[in-house]
Formats: sequence, structure tokens, C-alpha cells
Amino acid sequence: AQRVTQPEKLLSVFKGAPVELKCNYSYSGSPELFWYVQYSRQRLQLLLRHISRESIKGFTADLNKGETSFHLKKPFAQEEDSAMYYCARPKGKGGNKLVFGAGTILRVKS
Amino acid sequence: DGGITQSPKYLFRKEGQNVTLSCEQNLNHDAMYWYRQDPGQGLRLIYYSQIVNDFQKGDIAEGYSVSREKKESFPLTVTSAQKNPTAFYLCASSSSYRGRPDTQYFGPGTRLTVL
Repeated sequence: AQRVTQPEKLLSVFKGAPVELKCNYSYSGSPELFWYVQYSRQRLQLLLRHISRESIKGFTADLNKGETSFHLKKPFAQEEDSAMYYCARPKGKGGNKLVFGAGTILRVKS
Repeated sequence: DGGITQSPKYLFRKEGQNVTLSCEQNLNHDAMYWYRQDPGQGLRLIYYSQIVNDFQKGDIAEGYSVSREKKESFPLTVTSAQKNPTAFYLCASSSSYRGRPDTQYFGPGTRLTVL
């Protein structure tokens, strides 16, 4: 079964420090991978997807097939980055269903 | 924001009662989803629908039911058979699958509390 593992429930960093939110997925070829974010009092929304190879709000994520990882990184954390972050991948072959990790709360301290 | 709405925002239910959570979207999306969000467990899929008049069970469908009579609407009923219904419920929608999974757009959520 497809699985997504986010090993950290909470990650606390100081403003300006680098951030890495970890995500590992169960192997199945070349999956699509996503990061969704939920800011306080806002809806869950897409942050980025690996196929786009974009940098959104300074965040990037590289797919590492050898390590089956898709870690989310930002070189300098900002207080407004504080949120819940979910890593997700498709569930099964074809279709839009996703399986989500348990989520990581990022707290950026001033 | 906008595009996908959920109501009510908060819902209280007595044990043994069925309740229905509303989800409406005006994004012209074919696919709709219901998730349950619990601390430490992420989002778990309850039901999903890829097209009107069709829906499938997700990972935790027991104690829940849905209908999809209109493209815009995908209500979720939490029945008395659901053993632990207190949770935050999220509805989402997306375009049809076209070779790659599409972005899911989420509603603001409904917090259900069983008294």
C-alpha cells in the first residue's frame, strides 16, 4: 500500500534559520508528490508539486528516488511560514485520490 | 478563498443522531472528496466521487454515507454507527483525472462534536 511518512510532528526553528520538513514515501516507480500547507485560520492549500519544479514562498522540494524522499526546504525561515505541512502522493495508479502523511507543525520563533 | 464552501462551521450532535454536513463547489469540478482530519493522523479519505451519481468508499467509510445528485454538491452524513465521530471534516474538489492527479481545493471545514 502507498504510504507517506512525515517523521516529525513538530519542528521548531528560529527566524532566519534553514528549514527542512521530511517526507518519505513507499516506493512505486515515479510517483507524483505534493506538499499542502494549512496556515492558522486558513484552508488547506497546495504549496507545491514536484512535477512543477517551482519555488513557492521560498520553499523547494526535490524528489530523491534513491532515498524515496521529497523533503521540503527553505534556506531562511520566516515567522509567516508557521503552519501545518502535509506531504501527499497519489493513492494507486491513476485517479486523483491522494494519501497524506500525518503532517508536521512548523513553528518559526522570533 | 471561495469556490468551495462547507456548512455548518461547527456542529454538535447527541449520541445516536445522524447529522449531515454540507459541501458545495462552484468550480465546475467533476471530482469531490471527504476527509477526516485528526491530530497526529493527517487526512484520511472517507468517500470520493469522480462524477455525478457515482461515489466510492475511501479508507474509513464505515459509519458514513454520501450522495452525489448534483455536480456542485457532495453532502456527507455521519450516522450513529460511526463510533468516534468527533473530528474536523474537510471537503475538497478537483478537476477530472487527465493522466496526472490534479490539485485538490479544500473547503474551510466543519468541526463536529458529539456530546
